[in-house]
Amino acid sequence: AQSVTQPDIHITVSEGASLELRCNYSYGATPYLFWYVQSPGQGLQLLLKYFSGDTLVQGIKGFEAEFKRSQSSFNLRKPSVHWSDAAEYFCAVNNTDKLIFGTGTRLQVFP
Amino acid sequence: DTGVSQDPRHKITKRGQNVTFRCDPISEHNRLYWYRQTLGQGPEFLTYFQNEAQLEKSRLLSDRFSAERPKGSFSTLEIQRTEQGDSAMYLCASSSGQGILYEQYFGPGTRLTVT
Repeated sequence: AQSVTQPDIHITVSEGASLELRCNYSYGATPYLFWYVQSPGQGLQLLLKYFSGDTLVQGIKGFEAEFKRSQSSFNLRKPSVHWSDAAEYFCAVNNTDKLIFGTGTRLQVFP
Repeated sequence: DTGVSQDPRHKITKRGQNVTFRCDPISEHNRLYWYRQTLGQGPEFLTYFQNEAQLEKSRLLSDRFSAERPKGSFSTLEIQRTEQGDSAMYLCASSSGQGILYEQYFGPGTRLTVT
């Protein structure tokens, strides 16, 4: 069955530090992968997506993610975190038009 | 474009009561999705519509749940005889086309608390 695993429930970084959020997927075919961000009181916002082609994808707010088929991973990265990046981050994989989400990683940013 | 809106934003109800939530998608989006998100979990798919047709329902959607999209515009999700386990955030999303290539835009959600 298709699934997404986000091993880190909670991550704390200092403002200006680099960030990597992990995501592993289980999917039989070529996956379509997504990263969403959810801030308190706000809906989920799409950061970036991978469908095919270049395995390094760029998204909004300075985020990027790298698809590694051999590791079944799609990790999210940002070189320098801002305090406004504090939120919950969800990785998701498609399953015939609907999304399967991981359990999320809560990012806390210290000044 | 005002985005996806949901009403109410918060609902507190007593066990056994019926509740109804409304979702207004982005104008002219023909796909509408419902997801449920419990504390500490990611959203889980419940059901989706293509225009007014309900195309798929998750096993999570028990007989107490019903969703409609009567004119292919707004949608309602009704829960009958609510249980404490129904307490969750109910998210609505819409997209402009068929298939996963079309981005799903999410609303802010309706938080349901069953006491």
